[in-house]
Amino acid sequence: AQKITQTQPGMFVQEKEAVTLDCTYDTSDQSYGLFWYKQPSSGEMIFLIYQGSYDEQNATEGRYSLNFQKARKSANLVISASQLGDSAMYFCAMRVHAGGTSYGKLTFGQGTILTVHP
Amino acid sequence: GAVVSQHPSWVICKSGTSVKIECRSLDFQATTMFWYRQFPKQSLMLMATSNEGSKATYEQGVEKDKFLINHASLTLSTLTVTSAHPEDSSFYICSAQAGKDYEQYFGPGTRLTVT
Repeated sequence: AQKITQTQPGMFVQEKEAVTLDCTYDTSDQSYGLFWYKQPSSGEMIFLIYQGSYDEQNATEGRYSLNFQKARKSANLVISASQLGDSAMYFCAMRVHAGGTSYGKLTFGQGTILTVHP
Repeated sequence: GAVVSQHPSWVICKSGTSVKIECRSLDFQATTMFWYRQFPKQSLMLMATSNEGSKATYEQGVEKDKFLINHASLTLSTLTVTSAHPEDSSFYICSAQAGKDYEQYFGPGTRLTVT
């Protein structure tokens, strides 16, 4: 079974500062993918970034980067130069690659509410 | 590309009635669709996985007779909440997977309030 843990229920950051949202995972599978989603108050799930377990480089997408430490089973999200619009709930998630085109279900962490102060 | 829509975006119904929520993949064929439920400030809980043309696979603890899922085509899945009660009030989100793609594309969600 897979498990995702986000230990920060809430985080605060000053506008223009960087912030790191923590995520640790547990799986015995070797092939898996890690995702980060943003959920603003409207409720839509916005895909931010993806990291494959075999990717050697940390994923980056604009102001988002994923600090992937495989040995520690952590996949922290770093948001640089925070903006007021970054205030939202953030979810870390994992999906196991079962082989071929078969994927396991997406397992979500508890989420972290990020508040960006002006 | 990869747009998923849900209808309605919000619905209020009386206790005892049934409500149908539609999930459509607009620009791709979804071999698999997923239904999630989310309570305020909580995580998404997977309710069921549906593959086109076959019966849905429900997660443990989800009543299949209460939450009817139909995946009749490669672009449409429906969730029917039967005999809804106030405790069924929640935010329901669907997602769709396109073939070999590892990513799930999420719909905007449906807020259900049962009075």
